[in-house]
Amino acid sequence: RKEVEQDPGPFNVPEGATVAFNCTYSNSASQSFFWYRQDCRKEPKLLMSVYSSGNEDGRFTAQLNRASQYISLLIRDSKLSDSATYLCVADNYGQNFVFGPGTRLSVLP
Amino acid sequence: EAGVAQSPRYKIIEKRQSVAFWCNPISGHATLYWYQQILGQGPKLLIQFQNNGVVDDSQLPKDRFSAERLKGVDSTLKIQPAKLEDSAVYLCASSLAAATFSGNTIYFGEGSWLTVV
Repeated sequence: RKEVEQDPGPFNVPEGATVAFNCTYSNSASQSFFWYRQDCRKEPKLLMSVYSSGNEDGRFTAQLNRASQYISLLIRDSKLSDSATYLCVADNYGQNFVFGPGTRLSVLP
Repeated sequence: EAGVAQSPRYKIIEKRQSVAFWCNPISGHATLYWYQQILGQGPKLLIQFQNNGVVDDSQLPKDRFSAERLKGVDSTLKIQPAKLEDSAVYLCASSLAAATFSGNTIYFGEGSWLTVV
């Protein structure tokens, strides 16, 4: 079983749509979670950390469900510039970071 | 603040040849990581250094890959001999510390693109 799994995608949505990505992690000891964004042929960049109570940053909302070992990312009012691959990340016993395979999003005009 | 620097950006080699990648982390970052990212997949950790010591190299193919971080700053990753399946982006990253705590995140370099033909 992979340590971090994500929706396979790709997600093709029209501008202005709301889209949600799901992620599950297998290590119940994981404490820190993140969403990274990766543009085509670029390096991953931190989008947001994920906190237990859930957190919001503008159009982006991240939620964590420890009981189900599940993380989500919601993007409201999608923009063309949101087109990218979204990587879910969980820590590995507080030592390093495990990345999921990524979910590709294409926002269409 | 300068980011993570990597070189070369692109490299094409024939199988069985060797290649080396260099990384300079963000100043003050004690932890350095090398990730391998194959097209269409997420980054996979190859090796993690804390200062100049190895913390995790469980996924490093040690028969052909080696890495070092002398003096706890710059690092090099070497592949010898290369195989076709080594074609990937090699991402160097750094963070303040190994232990995860609130606010500790990884910052990536632009990557070194390797094509093995």
